[in-house]
Amino acid sequence: AQKVTQAQTEISVVEKEDVTLDCVYETRDTTYYLFWYKQPPSGELVFLIRRNSFDEQNEISGRYSWNFQKSTSSFNFTITASQVVDSAVYFCALSGSGTASKLTFGTGTRLQVTL
Amino acid sequence: NAGVTQTPKFRVLKTGQSMTLLCAQDMNHEYMYWYRQDPGMGLRLIHYSVGEGTTAKGEVPDGYNVSRLKKQNFLLGLESAAPSQTSVYFCASHDGGLGNEQFFGPGTRLTVL
Repeated sequence: AQKVTQAQTEISVVEKEDVTLDCVYETRDTTYYLFWYKQPPSGELVFLIRRNSFDEQNEISGRYSWNFQKSTSSFNFTITASQVVDSAVYFCALSGSGTASKLTFGTGTRLQVTL
Repeated sequence: NAGVTQTPKFRVLKTGQSMTLLCAQDMNHEYMYWYRQDPGMGLRLIHYSVGEGTTAKGEVPDGYNVSRLKKQNFLLGLESAAPSQTSVYFCASHDGGLGNEQFFGPGTRLTVL
């Protein structure tokens, strides 16, 4: 069985602060895929990034960066210099190989960025 | 391209009523999924389909039925709605390529009284 844990239920930061959202996963698959989605207050789900299990290279996209560590089964997401528009619920998700690409989601982390 | 669309956006039902949620995608994707989102629980998979005419159960299938008669459409049915089915329902589609992302519809907010 697969499992994704996002232990941080809610985080509040002041604009321009850096914030890291944690994601820990469990899977028996040797090949698997990790994702982050953003759900803004409007409710839609926005894809942010995917990472496969054999590529541990970290990725940076503007103010966003992702740290994938197989040794600790973690795929953490950092927002640098947060902005009010970053306020949303962020979901980490996992899919294994040969599972019809079904996603197992974490429970999400609500990020509130205030002025 | 409209992507993934869901009909209706909102619905209020009484206990015991039935309804069908429609999901449509115009990306020629093979796979389609229905999830429900409840507070504090993330998204959970209800049913999914890996192609026209096929369906399979997900994590929380009880009380729901699905059909995929056309590749572009995936219907979710509630035969006898219960208050426990009050939720936000998301449909998603996927092109079948390993590791590719799912594309989500805007969601349907369902309230069962």
